[in-house]
Amino acid sequence: QVQLVQSGAEVKKPGSSVKVSCKASGGTFNSYSVSWVRQAPGQGLEWMGRIIPVLGAAYYAQNFQGRVTITADKFTSTAYMELRSLRSEDTAVYYCAIWAGYSSSRFDYWGQGTLVTVSS
Amino acid sequence: EIVMTQSPATVSVSPGERATLSCRASQSVSSKLAWYQQRPGQAPRLLLYGASTRATGIPARFSGSGSGTEFTLTISSLQSEDFAVYYCQQYNNWPTFGQGTKVQIK
Repeated sequence: QVQLVQSGAEVKKPGSSVKVSCKASGGTFNSYSVSWVRQAPGQGLEWMGRIIPVLGAAYYAQNFQGRVTITADKFTSTAYMELRSLRSEDTAVYYCAIWAGYSSSRFDYWGQGTLVTVSS
Repeated sequence: EIVMTQSPATVSVSPGERATLSCRASQSVSSKLAWYQQRPGQAPRLLLYGASTRATGIPARFSGSGSGTEFTLTISSLQSEDFAVYYCQQYNNWPTFGQGTKVQIK
């Protein structure tokens, strides 16, 4: 059973950046792909991108290209998501989630979510 | 991008009754379709994958069907803990989600 534990809530100013972490335990981190999915208040789920930790290979959804960077430290089993040039519309809960293997798949495990609030 | 459309947006069901939720893909996703349940304040939880395979620990009252572009999630006898929002997600390509169906108490 894999557990994903995310960093705590953040409050940021418009134009700044945020970096959220996601630490995995209980599984083989290097056999998974780690994605980030966000959910604006009262809205649905939006996939942002994924990384294959063992390869360091990241892919980003078109809506976020140029503004997001996903990284991973395979030695500490921790993934990170940095979002830059924050605006009010980026206020959301950000989840990390994993699927087994490298090809697109269902999300077997989710982190608890990190609320990022963007406000002046 | 494959667009996933769920219907209805909200369904009102009495406890013990059946709920049927629909999900349509803008192009074929074969059987690469997952369903999730999200309760208020919680992360989504995987219910079904491969359109019809229950995830570990998911009760048999949850069932799924369909392939290609049309999919259905059926909850055969709603329990109090089943009142939640349900999302479909395709993984035939980079993942995309439907907008969700809220199952509320009638």
